[in-house]
Amino acid sequence: AAGVIQSPRHLIKEKRETATLKCYPIPRHDTVYWYQQGPGQDPQFLISFYEKMQSDKGSIPDRFSAQQFSDYHSELNMSSLELGDSALYFCASSLAAGVYTGELFFGEGSRLTVL
Amino acid sequence: SQQGEEDPQALSIQEGENATMNCSYKTSINNLQWYRQNSGRGLVHLILIRSNEREKHSGRLRVTLDTSKKSSSLLITASRAADTASYFCATDAPWETSGSRLTFGEGTQLTVNP
Repeated sequence: AAGVIQSPRHLIKEKRETATLKCYPIPRHDTVYWYQQGPGQDPQFLISFYEKMQSDKGSIPDRFSAQQFSDYHSELNMSSLELGDSALYFCASSLAAGVYTGELFFGEGSRLTVL
Repeated sequence: SQQGEEDPQALSIQEGENATMNCSYKTSINNLQWYRQNSGRGLVHLILIRSNEREKHSGRLRVTLDTSKKSSSLLITASRAADTASYFCATDAPWETSGSRLTFGEGTQLTVNP
């Protein structure tokens, strides 16, 4: 069965550079979520999209932006990178069932290292 | 502060023993979910329990939910070395909007020794 695809799996950037992460949700899933997970930490919610519209926003820095495109894939853009941005970035998708958040299907993550 | 706090932070047991992990949360919920994460990998959904349910089973997993105490427990019976992973509880947002967040607790690192 198709899973959530994230790319790239690994990337290394210098401080103040820009990075773009891509996420391809499971076909027919209408909701995409982005999470950030630091070493030994729990996943922190960044932002979500339902039917290509932003549906919820968490602790996402102003330097970060995201969008969901017409084909439902999503991109997380991160600018002016800081050392503290080094983390695993997960994308997850789900099929909305009413207004309650159901099961999320996670990708394998993109590991960002900022030097 | 975290919506979900888990206890214990780390648990080490022998194969065949049972493992119990607890989660507490602060706000009202519609449902609570448990996820598993192998080191450096994506999270995998284990089980979802709705706010009007008190207990749910799935294979070797048993989840309880006490909304009056805002707490949940995950019991893994007859543990195996392959169960070694981090386990997170996650709660949905109290507001009713499609696509709203899941908030994860701090996780329990379970080690099952062969």
